[in-house]
Amino acid sequence: DAKTTQPPSMDCAEGRAANLPCNHSTISGNEYVYWYRQIHSQGPQYIIHGLKNNETNEMASLIITEDRKSSTLILPHATLRDTAVYYCIVRVVGFKTIFGAGTRLFVKA
Amino acid sequence: DGGITQSPKYLFRKEGQNVTLSCEQNLNHDAMYWYRQDPGQGLRLIYYSQIVNDFQKGDIAEGYSVSREKKESFPLTVTSAQKNPTAFYLCASTDGRSGANVLTFGAGSRLTVL
Repeated sequence: DAKTTQPPSMDCAEGRAANLPCNHSTISGNEYVYWYRQIHSQGPQYIIHGLKNNETNEMASLIITEDRKSSTLILPHATLRDTAVYYCIVRVVGFKTIFGAGTRLFVKA
Repeated sequence: DGGITQSPKYLFRKEGQNVTLSCEQNLNHDAMYWYRQDPGQGLRLIYYSQIVNDFQKGDIAEGYSVSREKKESFPLTVTSAQKNPTAFYLCASTDGRSGANVLTFGAGSRLTVL
């Protein structure tokens, strides 16, 4: 019962920005937005998280709308190694993190 | 470097056998988790533990067992009662003390039942 909606797949040209959307219309005021990615047959990797403000780190930027009902993960210059499944997560019940199906991003040369 | 070590990476089992997957962390994290992933699917929570000597069932605990005798270790046993055990198993941990709950994952163990 993930609380997020993501497109099942997206394409991006190498060197261009990849913008991955996520809808989370039922998010509570104290719930964070997290993004992870999983490269084939590896463990998921944490990317970024935020509560209200936009966030940026060395991997990506996270843009959260003012009403917090949606967010966008931005990979500024996508490379072939960014091809992966990207998970947007907002549901954390106590210590339980629940994953949805994610978005499969294909970066093409 | 701190992290999570899972072993073995690949494991083959005959039907009716129990197998134990190892998960060790040196991050000094309080909470640990086991997830199962089937091909093309997301992750499903099997068990989690917030502190030593305590653990809770996740969404798909039937046919699995765990122990948490040490902070660093959280082994998962896949028992013969698990009807469809072939899957990719992921162990994770969180600090649990900060407001955010960021998961650190191991590399995974792939179990195949022959």
